[in-house]
Amino acid sequence: GQQVMQIPQYQHVQEGEDFTTYCNSSTTLSNIQWYKQRPGGHPVFLIQLVKSGEVKKQKRLTFQFGEAKKNSSLHITATQTTDVGTYFCARGNYGQNFVFGPGTRLSVLP
Amino acid sequence: EAGVTQSPTHLIKTRGQQATLRCSPISGHTSVYWYQQALGLGLQFLLWYDEGEERNRGNFPPRFSGRQFPNYSSELNVNALELEDSALYLCASSFHFSGYEQYFGPGTRLTVT
Repeated sequence: GQQVMQIPQYQHVQEGEDFTTYCNSSTTLSNIQWYKQRPGGHPVFLIQLVKSGEVKKQKRLTFQFGEAKKNSSLHITATQTTDVGTYFCARGNYGQNFVFGPGTRLSVLP
Repeated sequence: EAGVTQSPTHLIKTRGQQATLRCSPISGHTSVYWYQQALGLGLQFLLWYDEGEERNRGNFPPRFSGRQFPNYSSELNVNALELEDSALYLCASSFHFSGYEQYFGPGTRLTVT
């Protein structure tokens, strides 16, 4: 189906450690988006990946789109307490609604 | 530029009643999406409107309905409320059609007692 899976469901890290969340689909994706939701907040768009093998960086965040366009990852280097929240990936196909993954909840211990 | 706005912020209803939630998209956006987010859980897709028409709906019963007005604002109606309808209802807007980033509003917290 159209579902996307994310792993892990939860991740607890010590401040300064790295963090990675993975998004997987059984079918080829037209594009993938990543969102962050802080506790008590609403999802905020982070980035969109469209090309096979694409890698984009935003400061300490690195986003990758798999060569087969079936998976994606978000890597945070040297986590900070401000990184706390739930990270969602969302698959999109032109003309269809986005389908969000279940999210990975990140806790950062100071 | 004003973001997506939603009203009311909080809504308390009793079981069996009807609830109406409203959303105003970012200026220039023609697509509006509605999501349900139960406490601590993910985003469940409810409805997608574009250019005044319903483009798709998620796996929710017919008592969840909505519409999009000519100014692209949208309304979500939930009839015959049930306790499990208690959740945060998020509205998002984007440019015409899917493929563009969605901008979310702050949500309406619906509590059914």
